[in-house]
Amino acid sequence: QQQVKQSPQSLIVQKGGISIINCAYENTAFDYFPWYQQFPGKGPALLIAIRPDVSEKKEGRFTISFNKSAKQFSLHIMDSQPGDSATYFCAASKETSGSRLTFGEGTQLTVNP
Amino acid sequence: DSGVTQTPKHLITATGQRVTLRCSPRSGDLSVYWYQQSLDQGLQFLIQYYNGEERAKGNILERFSAQQFPDLHSELNLSSLELGDSALYFCASSVSSRVGTQYFGPGTRLTVL
Repeated sequence: QQQVKQSPQSLIVQKGGISIINCAYENTAFDYFPWYQQFPGKGPALLIAIRPDVSEKKEGRFTISFNKSAKQFSLHIMDSQPGDSATYFCAASKETSGSRLTFGEGTQLTVNP
Repeated sequence: DSGVTQTPKHLITATGQRVTLRCSPRSGDLSVYWYQQSLDQGLQFLIQYYNGEERAKGNILERFSAQQFPDLHSELNLSSLELGDSALYFCASSVSSRVGTQYFGPGTRLTVL
């Protein structure tokens, strides 16, 4: 059972544009929602994370929007740069009962110069 | 650099063999997680240890086992290897067993021939 669904599978954006990646979850017990960035040959690296008590969190060019009622959250990358080209994973966990991460399928982002 | 180290970086072996993957968590982190990343299954949680004790189990095969030693490093043992076990295996660590960011290592790429 895929508990976190991510879309799109791939995304091509022009430099300076906005990249938007969406995720939907099923388990309402999830209480921690991180986004990870992975470059080829590297491990996933935490980008930004949110808890359901807030609807938005911004760190630099990266923003998470969270809609608890719709069980959806999204990553917005403003002013996308070629260096942002990577695979992005959303994830979710229930921190109150162990914090193992359930990952989405991943989005391969390409930012063209 | 996340501070999590994994060895070896690459491992090529034959079907039916047994291998051991090693992970050293970040200094001060007590919790270790193992994840498998494959093309068809994505990133899947395998098992979690906290301060030497097993805390959570995911979709880990019976042929796979893990342990965390008193110095907090962890080993993932994979036996009776099959072609389908070929994947990237990541270790992650966090300070506690519940709350907190998981930092991923660079991974071990296992190829079973």
